[in-house]
Amino acid sequence: KAGVTQTPRYLIKTRGQQVTLSCSPISGHRSVSWYQQTPGQGLQFLFEYFSETQRNKGNFPGRFSGRQFSNSRSEMNVSTLELGDSALYLCASSGWGEQYFGPGTRLTVT
Amino acid sequence: AQRVTQPEKLLSVFKGAPVELKCNYSYSGSPELFWYVQYSRQRLQLLLRHISRESIKGFTADLNKGETSFHLKKPFAQEEDSAMYYCALSGSIGGTSYGKLTFGQGTILTVHP
Repeated sequence: KAGVTQTPRYLIKTRGQQVTLSCSPISGHRSVSWYQQTPGQGLQFLFEYFSETQRNKGNFPGRFSGRQFSNSRSEMNVSTLELGDSALYLCASSGWGEQYFGPGTRLTVT
Repeated sequence: AQRVTQPEKLLSVFKGAPVELKCNYSYSGSPELFWYVQYSRQRLQLLLRHISRESIKGFTADLNKGETSFHLKKPFAQEEDSAMYYCALSGSIGGTSYGKLTFGQGTILTVHP
């Protein structure tokens, strides 16, 4: 089975812009979760989507949003980017209670 | 609220020595505990899940609900075990894990030759 894929792998944006990241889960997995990884805060949960519905949400401002499509692919959007949004964004798809992670998208906000 | 604590940020051992990476958690419900590992330049990958009770790459971990701990152990460390290790917790209702993992801050394990 192909693993979780994320696009793009690297992104540089300017403060105030918005960005959309994409995640394709493992075939057959219906749950996709998103995490933010930074040196200071570590791995923090953003949100989870299951069958196109947000099932869980972390403690992030409303600038962070997501959605899931009928084929389980998911996108995450960050509006009005701030310097502190620079991070590695990971998505994970779940099967049988286990999460499998993608390689991440490295977002740099300048 | 769920919380995972990994008290050691760095851990160094010599090859062949036993290693124990500590993990403590707090969760009011029925937790599912995991250990994830991230080798250099690789993606985060699942190492162990407490309900499977398997030994992966020589590592084992036992859930101690009384002490709310899930320490990762290996009797004889190898150089290829050098990596970042994360303990993670997921809430579980009715035996189904939800897709929200709470991670500890991670422990960097270095195994010296």
